[in-house]
Amino acid sequence: GDSVTQMEGPVTLSEEAFLTINCTYTATGYPSLFWYVQYPGEGLQLLLKATKADDKGSNKGFEATYRKETTSFHLEKGSVQVSDSAVYFCALRVEVWDKIIFGKGTRLHILP
Amino acid sequence: KAGVTQTPRYLIKTRGQQVTLSCSPISGHRSVSWYQQTPGQGLQFLFEYFSETQRNKGNFPGRFSGRQFSNSRSEMNVSTLELGDSALYLCASSWGDRDNSPLHFGNGTRLTVT
Repeated sequence: GDSVTQMEGPVTLSEEAFLTINCTYTATGYPSLFWYVQYPGEGLQLLLKATKADDKGSNKGFEATYRKETTSFHLEKGSVQVSDSAVYFCALRVEVWDKIIFGKGTRLHILP
Repeated sequence: KAGVTQTPRYLIKTRGQQVTLSCSPISGHRSVSWYQQTPGQGLQFLFEYFSETQRNKGNFPGRFSGRQFSNSRSEMNVSTLELGDSALYLCASSWGDRDNSPLHFGNGTRLTVT
């Protein structure tokens, strides 16, 4: 079945470091891909999305490129801030009427 | 525009009881999805309702049920509660019929079963 695998956390970085969170997927068809972020005590918020191969989603300094050949959608940010500390979820949906399938989440800690 | 509202925010129940959680979607959204979030399992999909019909269903036992009303508000019911049902229950709404429409989440209901 369709699934998302993302790197185990927690990931701990110093402020201004470069961030990569790996995400790979398995899906029948051509899914849309998403990154969501969850801050403490809150629900998930959409961070960025990409709908077809080679699309790049970006928001708040975060970027991810839809790589069909490697079935990946890695999240990157050039310089992280303490305020980026949160749990990040990679997700996919194959069709408009399908459920969205989430990875298990990666907790990110940024040290000042 | 108001976001997704879930009530109550916290619940404490005893094993064997039942519980009803409520979700009010963003105005205009016709799809409501429910997820269970636990530290060990991450986000597990429960079900999705679109225009009052269950459109997708996850792999949860029949003790977990839901419904959607004509105004798109949704309720989730869990009967005969077990300790393992302790979790954060998240509701999310979307248009449901538009390509690449993302989910908009509420802040969740934290259920503790003792």
